[in-house]
Amino acid sequence: NAGVTQTPKFQVLKTGQSMTLQCAQDMNHEYMSWYRQDPGMGLRLIHYSVGAGITDQGEVPNGYNVSRSTTEDFPLRLLSAAPSQTSVYFCASSSPLTAGLNSPLHFGNGTRLTVT
Amino acid sequence: KQEVTQIPAALSVPEGENLVLNCSFTDSAIYNLQWFRQDPGKGLTSLLLIQSSQREQTSGRLNASLDKSSGRSTLYIAASQPGDSATYLCAARTSGSRLTFGEGTQLTVNP
Repeated sequence: NAGVTQTPKFQVLKTGQSMTLQCAQDMNHEYMSWYRQDPGMGLRLIHYSVGAGITDQGEVPNGYNVSRSTTEDFPLRLLSAAPSQTSVYFCASSSPLTAGLNSPLHFGNGTRLTVT
Repeated sequence: KQEVTQIPAALSVPEGENLVLNCSFTDSAIYNLQWFRQDPGKGLTSLLLIQSSQREQTSGRLNASLDKSSGRSTLYIAASQPGDSATYLCAARTSGSRLTFGEGTQLTVNP
């Protein structure tokens, strides 16, 4: 089982550049989300989606865009990278919502992004 | 706003010792409380999930408890091993789509 796959694993950007972090899952999970992990601040929710065509903002959405055209994919776009976006980004998904709220979250291995 | 705190931030123990990791949360209206393990350079792996109606969950040498009224959860690790060395995070779900994470406890088990 591939689970949740994130690409790339590492990325260095210059301020102002744009890029897309990819996330794909093969578990037919309806719920997908993006977190960033920073020292001293823990994991913070950026955006999430409860199904294809539906997205919503999390705790720290500014500077990031998402879309959900398929159940499998949930890309995160940085339109104009800033040094404050240097972080480790994690994508996570969970079982179909019909299974209820008590479904564990499955994480990818993360993308380490540095913005200079 | 839910806040989740984990104490201690780091813990070092000799192999074989039983240990307890602590997690506290400010809003007791939670759906569940999850414990995760994170190895260096890796994502989070779900260890245990305790529903709001449950008091504890067990998996092998791990036992997690939940006391909603006091806003506390503990993760008990029995007979610790060097392979248990990792960062352990707890997360409280207080709505359908949001989890609030603690900053984690970095555990080192020395051979």
